[in-house]
Amino acid sequence: GAVVSQHPSRVICKSGTSVKIECRSLDFQATTMFWYRQFPKKSLMLMATSNEGSKATYEQGVEKDKFLINHASLTLSTLTVTSAHPEDSSFYICSASYKTGTETQYFGPGTRLLVL
Amino acid sequence: GNSVTQMEGPVTLSEEAFLTINCTYTATGYPSLFWYVQYPGEGLQLLLKATKADDKGSNKGFEATYRKETTSFHLEKGSVQVSDSAVYFCALRYQAGTALIFGKGTTLSVSS
Repeated sequence: GAVVSQHPSRVICKSGTSVKIECRSLDFQATTMFWYRQFPKKSLMLMATSNEGSKATYEQGVEKDKFLINHASLTLSTLTVTSAHPEDSSFYICSASYKTGTETQYFGPGTRLLVL
Repeated sequence: GNSVTQMEGPVTLSEEAFLTINCTYTATGYPSLFWYVQYPGEGLQLLLKATKADDKGSNKGFEATYRKETTSFHLEKGSVQVSDSAVYFCALRYQAGTALIFGKGTTLSVSS
């Protein structure tokens, strides 16, 4: 089946620094990727939808200048948390679908971010 | 707006017990409905889905029926195993190609 990887799986950084998280589709071309954030004992909250070669569409309340998303190729999307603060500590998960309109999304294993 | 509500758990069962995890939804139109499972340390995996009313999704002994009249998609399994211990997420998608909307997840713990 389709595999999505994320790197790193866990990252600890100092407040004020920026952190980049990569999401890769390993055996298929992902025209659309989604970035979610999961709080403890909370649901996955959609942050943004990313289509290859175009600007990401952010959900209401998500700061696009803080959470920079780049989808430069059909197999890679990146999420950069800029000037991270402790409240940005969370579990970030990406998913990918391999063609527009498909019903199935394939999820990465997630990245645990801790900002000190 | 569109939303999903599922029982929060945790649900603790003995092996071979019957499992039900309730899920109801609010949506405009006719969404597709999904159950995802997240095993410890792994990413979310699609467990089953249903795309229209009265459809039954099934996989690995799990079943869920799309009930439009009660806006529900309850997950059931007749006999759970220890290996079923995981977090289960109910989700909907109101339009193909759009993101999923998730419930809060239900933790299932099965003991032998």
